[in-house]
Amino acid sequence: AQTVTQSQPEMSVQEAETVTLSCTYDTSESDYYLFWYKQPPSRQMILVIRQEAYKQQNATENRFSVNFQKAAKSFSLKISDSQLGDAAMYFCAYIRYNFNKFYFGSGTKLNVKP
Amino acid sequence: EAQVTQNPRYLITVTGKKLTVTCSQNMNHEYMSWYRQDPGLGLRQIYYSMNVEVTDKGDVPEGYKVSRKEKRNFPLILESPSPNQTSLYFCASSPSLNTEAFFGQGTRLTVV
Repeated sequence: AQTVTQSQPEMSVQEAETVTLSCTYDTSESDYYLFWYKQPPSRQMILVIRQEAYKQQNATENRFSVNFQKAAKSFSLKISDSQLGDAAMYFCAYIRYNFNKFYFGSGTKLNVKP
Repeated sequence: EAQVTQNPRYLITVTGKKLTVTCSQNMNHEYMSWYRQDPGLGLRQIYYSMNVEVTDKGDVPEGYKVSRKEKRNFPLILESPSPNQTSLYFCASSPSLNTEAFFGQGTRLTVV
């Protein structure tokens, strides 16, 4: 069974600094997709970034980037130049190729200090 | 505006009183799902649908029903709610497999 683990329930970062959120997953599949979603206090789930397992290049979206280590089954999210608006719960998620079922980690609450 | 709309956003009900949470998407997406979010557990899939009249169980389907009579709508039905169904519920849709899910605003349900 697929499982996604986020071992950091809560983290803090100073505004303008860089922070890395960890995620590991367990799967026997070779084709899959990984995502980071952001959930601010409004509860809305917002896609931050997506990574295809077949791509070796790490995905980036402006200040957000990932470190995808397929052999280690690790998928960390790096947020550069942290802003107050980055404060939220962050969820790592996995879907198997050609399946519609998302597996989510338990989330990491990110606090941003001014 | 492309969106997934859930109603209501907040609901307090009593044990055993049937309720329906509605979900509608205006993006013509094939795939729709329901998730529940509980502290320390993340989001877990309750049911999903691959198209009209095609639904299947997720990881935690007990106590829930769904239907997909139209492509845009995917209501979640709790026939006899119990306190352990107190949770935050999300409806999500996807245009196809292997793509991200688009989420509704969430429904905070409390069963007393």
